[in-house]
Amino acid sequence: DAKTTQPTSMDCAEGRAANLPCNHSTISGNEYVYWYRQIHSQGPQYIIHGLKNNETNEMASLIITEDRKSSTLILPHATLRDTAVYYCIVPIYNQGGKLIFGQGTELSVKP
Amino acid sequence: SAVISQKPSRDICQRGTSLTIQCQVDSQVTMMFWYRQQPGQSLTLIATANQGSEATYESGFVIDKFPISRPNLTFSTLTVSNMSPEDSSIYLCSVARGLDEKLFFGSGTQLSVL
Repeated sequence: DAKTTQPTSMDCAEGRAANLPCNHSTISGNEYVYWYRQIHSQGPQYIIHGLKNNETNEMASLIITEDRKSSTLILPHATLRDTAVYYCIVPIYNQGGKLIFGQGTELSVKP
Repeated sequence: SAVISQKPSRDICQRGTSLTIQCQVDSQVTMMFWYRQQPGQSLTLIATANQGSEATYESGFVIDKFPISRPNLTFSTLTVSNMSPEDSSIYLCSVARGLDEKLFFGSGTQLSVL
């Protein structure tokens, strides 16, 4: 199972880019990296996922290093509503694709 | 996307009683999971709900305490049995259409046990 490591917390100024790192050095060649976030008192929300190419959608960009051992989630213009806990997860494919959540990164966007 | 209806949204229960939480999805899904989130903590996977067979439980969770049913591809229930105050948590249902598909979460059931 590929474990992920994230900083416990980060701050970001409103309007600036938030760059959230994740280490997944034991990831296998065919395993995706998924990012979710949980805003207080809500269920987790899917953000983006990728295999080896950089990905972008309406919420964020995902940059995956060439060796695939780490990735960075980028929120290009953070707003106060982006304050949440962000989780970087690699599914366990040989057990039905289940997701095991770590502690994530608590992002605080400040005015 | 998948729309998940989870009931009840919250409940206050007495010690020693049981509560059944329902998870209804608006379309058929392959994968269904139940999570628990204790106050101030991350999510912990309880079990994978398997359609037509017994659920697969994670370490530390047992069927007698958390019986799960999944009669079809759109519905599942989780029962929290013989409750104690330590069971006070948010319980979340999550679904995915298949392997390598994003997971969708219900809004959760806030359970308080007195």
